[in-house]
Amino acid sequence: EAGVVQSPRYKIIEKKQPVAFWCNPISGHNTLYWYRQNLGQGPELLIRYENEEAVDDSQLPKDRFSAERLKGVDSTLKIQPAELGDSAVYLCASSPRAYEQYFGPGTRLTVT
Amino acid sequence: SQQGEEDPQALSIQEGENATMNCSYKTSINNLQWYRQNSGRGLVHLILIRSNEREKHSGRLRVTLDTSKKSSSLLITASRAADTASYFCATSTVGGNKLVFGAGTILRVKS
Repeated sequence: EAGVVQSPRYKIIEKKQPVAFWCNPISGHNTLYWYRQNLGQGPELLIRYENEEAVDDSQLPKDRFSAERLKGVDSTLKIQPAELGDSAVYLCASSPRAYEQYFGPGTRLTVT
Repeated sequence: SQQGEEDPQALSIQEGENATMNCSYKTSINNLQWYRQNSGRGLVHLILIRSNEREKHSGRLRVTLDTSKKSSSLLITASRAADTASYFCATSTVGGNKLVFGAGTILRVKS
C-alpha cells in the first residue's frame, strides 16, 4: 500500500513570497490532516478534512494560510505571503477512521 | 498548544539497555498514542492505549497508562541503534479524530 505522498520535500523562499504544499493521502482514507511542526516540537494541527469538508480549522492562521481538498482526495496548503516565523516542517496525515493516523514525510519550509 | 509533556527531553543509552519515556497530559482523554519520528521523516504510529486500559504490549514496546495521574510511559526493551529517533505521545479526546502531541523525547541508542 502506498503511503501518504507530499511534495515538495524541501522549499526555500524569501519572505512575502507565496508557497504551496501538496498532499496525496492513502487511497480510501476520508480524513486528511495538515500539521505544522516547529523545530524541537511536536506537530500542531492546522486543519482537518472529512472528505472535502474542513471540519476543524480553528488553528489555521486564516489571514495568510488557506487550504483546499477538492473532490475529497488530494489537498493543497498555501501560505501567502510567507513570514520568517512560518519556517517549519509541514506534515500531511490521513486516516481511514478515528484514532490511527498515517503521516507523510513532510515538507521542510525555510523562509529567508 | 501542546497537550502533553514528555520526560526526559533527551535520552542516551547503550544498545541492549531499556529506554523509558514518560508523558503527562492535562485533560481527560479517550486514548493515548505513541509515535516515532526518524530524522527528516514523517511520524510512524507505534501503539495506542485506550483510557480504560492500563498496560499494552507490542513486540519490544510496553505502554502503561495511569488516568488518575494523567500520565503514560513507553518502555523499549533491548534497545537497538535503529531505535534512535524522536518519540511523541499524542492524546485524543472523545471522537478520536484530533490528536494533540507533546514536544517529544529524543532517544539516542549507541552501538
